[in-house]
Amino acid sequence: DVKVTQSSRYLVKRTGEKVFLECVQDMDHENMFWYRQDPGLGLRLIYFSYDVKMKEKGDIPEGYSVSREKKERFSLILESASTNQTSMYLCASGPLSATNEKLFFGSGTQLSVL
Amino acid sequence: EDQVTQSPEALRLQEGESSSLNCSYTVSGLRGLFWYRQDPGKGPEFLFTLYSAGEEKEKERLKATLTKKESFLHITAPKPEDSATYLCAAQRNYGGSQGNLIFGKGTKLSVKP
Repeated sequence: DVKVTQSSRYLVKRTGEKVFLECVQDMDHENMFWYRQDPGLGLRLIYFSYDVKMKEKGDIPEGYSVSREKKERFSLILESASTNQTSMYLCASGPLSATNEKLFFGSGTQLSVL
Repeated sequence: EDQVTQSPEALRLQEGESSSLNCSYTVSGLRGLFWYRQDPGKGPEFLFTLYSAGEEKEKERLKATLTKKESFLHITAPKPEDSATYLCAAQRNYGGSQGNLIFGKGTKLSVKP
């Protein structure tokens, strides 16, 4: 069974803390993505990566950074967490394809910043 | 501005009562239209991709259709296990990545026995 695994299901952090969200996929996919999902706003793309050490900004990259040192692992970093970053964070992966292949999502990390 | 709008926001059906969910899009150069299902506390799960107007795809009680401006997800004789949030996403026509997906806000479907 294919899997996208996010390291934490729930996370509570303090304002100003540095936060790491980890995501691992076992499907050898080239593409990996970080989204956040908020009620009334839907899914919004933060960052994505085509390949190891490659990254591209999505629609809402401010306040976030990412790291992809290995093909299977994509990390989202909140350098200094703020309350407006309280959200559900979803990681996804997909193969490099010109034919619009589907994405596989993890179960999400619910982050609360107090 | 590229946009994906889903309606209704929420839909309550009785078991067996067929209906349709709507996804309208304004995207320059649509490459693909995706439907996902999301259960509470889980990530979205892929259902369908549609590539061109007139295309239809089916899976069990679900049927997705696509026109030049919108997509419909038809649910025939739904069961309580079909209760979920259904997400629509449009892929924009630039680049070769899946980073160009724009998601709608979803339709929350509840099917009562």
